[in-house]
Amino acid sequence: GAVVSQHPSRVICKSGTSVKIECRSLDFQATTMFWYRQFPKQSLMLMATSNEGSKATYEQGVEKDKFLINHASLTLSTLTVTSAHPEDSSFYICSAGGGTGFNEQFFGPGTRLTVL
Amino acid sequence: AQSVSQHNHHVILSEAASLELGCNYSYGGTVNLFWYVQYPGQHLQLLLKYFSGDPLVKGIKGFEAEFIKSKFSFNLRKPSVQWSDTAEYFCAVNILNAGNMLTFGGGTRLMVKP
Repeated sequence: GAVVSQHPSRVICKSGTSVKIECRSLDFQATTMFWYRQFPKQSLMLMATSNEGSKATYEQGVEKDKFLINHASLTLSTLTVTSAHPEDSSFYICSAGGGTGFNEQFFGPGTRLTVL
Repeated sequence: AQSVSQHNHHVILSEAASLELGCNYSYGGTVNLFWYVQYPGQHLQLLLKYFSGDPLVKGIKGFEAEFIKSKFSFNLRKPSVQWSDTAEYFCAVNILNAGNMLTFGGGTRLMVKP
């Protein structure tokens, strides 16, 4: 399957700082990328869908000014958690679609964010 | 809006026992169906998928799933589990021709005792 990477894998930051998470599709062009949030022992909750070159579509309840998504190229999408607070601590996972399979998504390894 | 239900939140089995994890979805149209596995400390991996054709789908590591349209179900099965199958399993649904968006079930945490 296609490979999706995320960087960083772990980040610890102070409350009030902004954190940027990168998601890259390494061996295919991802027309669509998705950002999920996974709370401990819970399922993945879709936060937003981003298409290359256009604004992201956010799910209900997700603050677009809080979670800035940029999908500037077919291989890179970034999620910036602005003015992070402890309640933003979570596991953030990206996935990429539009690769070798129809309607398939390939998942990154996730980024664990801890806000102190 | 579509939803996906996984009724078993935690399952504990002994090695060699048979496994069946339930997955039901609520959408009357055509769907694509997936099972993903997340091993401890690792990222999601695709186990198997159903798009069309034979409703009995075989995936990696001896897993299979059966799509029963009349029951809106896509249960995951394995005849004989191994300790290495300890993981969390997620069912996911995608509406055909509605882009690549996936809706995930709540997940089932499987523990296999050696």
